[in-house]
Amino acid sequence: AQSVTQLGSHVSVSEGALVLLRCNYSSSVPPYLFWYVQYPNQGLQLLLKYTTGATLVKGINGFEAEFKKSETSFHLTKPSAHMSDAAEYFCAVSDGKAAGNKLTFGGGTRVLVKP
Amino acid sequence: KAGVTQTPRYLIKTRGQQVTLSCSPISGHRSVSWYQQTPGQGLQFLFEYFSETQRNKGNFPGRFSGRQFSNSRSEMNVSTLELGDSALYLCASSRDGLFNYGYTFGSGTRLTVV
Repeated sequence: AQSVTQLGSHVSVSEGALVLLRCNYSSSVPPYLFWYVQYPNQGLQLLLKYTTGATLVKGINGFEAEFKKSETSFHLTKPSAHMSDAAEYFCAVSDGKAAGNKLTFGGGTRVLVKP
Repeated sequence: KAGVTQTPRYLIKTRGQQVTLSCSPISGHRSVSWYQQTPGQGLQFLFEYFSETQRNKGNFPGRFSGRQFSNSRSEMNVSTLELGDSALYLCASSRDGLFNYGYTFGSGTRLTVV
């Protein structure tokens, strides 16, 4: 069975500071990894995904994540936080097509951006 | 390009009733998945449909069911509602594979059971 752990349910950062959201996963097969963002009263928006290939993945809105197999991690970063980054972020894993289109999500990290 | 449309946006039902939620995927998308989001359990996979066939199912009781029509629109039904079914229900569509195209999520239907 797969699982995803997001360290820190809440993160507070100052505008312009580095955003670092941590995600560790458990998977018995090579994982496919995703980061989604959710704004209040909205659905989930895909930030970036890792399936195969380059382990450093660049996404939308200046976010990027690095897949580290040895650490079973897929941390999300953004060099400089903007007020519009305040939202909840979810890391998710899928173990490939055998599971169909099923995602297992972490518990989420709510980001607060201070002016 | 229209996104994933879920109707209704908000719903209040009484315990014991049943409810049907609707999801219209992006044009050309054949895969539709449903997720339940609650403060306690987070985001949990309900089921996925592809070309009118259920391709995958999560660990939910039989009260939760779904279907997909030939135009790819999907409905999910919850019978004999319980207070714990109160949640945001999210629908997501994909052209085919999650891995090549990813999901596009709708804004969800917020169900409140009283």
